[in-house]
Amino acid sequence: AIWMTQSPSLLSASTGDRVTISCRVSQGIDNYLAWYQQKPGKGPELLIHDASTLQSGVPSRFRGSGSGTDFTLTIDCLQSEDFATYYCQQYYSFPITFGQGTRLEMK
Amino acid sequence: QVQLQESGPGLVKPSETLTLTCTVSGFSITSGYNWGWVRQPPGKGLEWIGSVHHSGNSYYNPSLESRVTISVDASQNQFFLKLTSVTAADTAMYSCARVQTGMAGDHYYYYMDVWGKGTTVTVSS
Repeated sequence: AIWMTQSPSLLSASTGDRVTISCRVSQGIDNYLAWYQQKPGKGPELLIHDASTLQSGVPSRFRGSGSGTDFTLTIDCLQSEDFATYYCQQYYSFPITFGQGTRLEMK
Repeated sequence: QVQLQESGPGLVKPSETLTLTCTVSGFSITSGYNWGWVRQPPGKGLEWIGSVHHSGNSYYNPSLESRVTISVDASQNQFFLKLTSVTAADTAMYSCARVQTGMAGDHYYYYMDVWGKGTTVTVSS
């Protein structure tokens, strides 16, 4: 199986900040990567697929980049509703695997 | 608006079979998507369980494949997860999801675009 390692595990930031979350993959996966946001008590929400394609309805302050083994989720100008946990997921090969998550908390 | 809602027992005894239902509303389960399950043990990350197409084609995580069946009842617009011989390691939040999957060029894509809120399952005697 392909391993996904996210960093940091916990990120403290303030509204208006720009933050970056990293997802490193154990082998090259081209751009077959998705990002999700999960808030307490709710199911995950798809933010980005194909590493950089914004899902319909997702604000443009969310940006995905990367290819191969290193990927980044950037959130520009953090809003209060962005404090949540973020996961990356690869679909280069089965089994589908996720990163362990990055919790974004208010500083 | 597409909505998914999980239901099932919150407590299951070790060695028994867990069965969960996902009820889909606002969208037909036969409309070309796959339907899947993901779980999250307490304090851990997300684990993909598997998915099914209404035609019956399914994909399972090899780590669970011997114990898992995912099936569809199109008449009720529902799909199901059955997990046999459960142990404490199966204690988790279980979420159902609509899966976008298909071929783009020479590679498939597979990601979950609509999720339920999840249901907590505890395995304990």
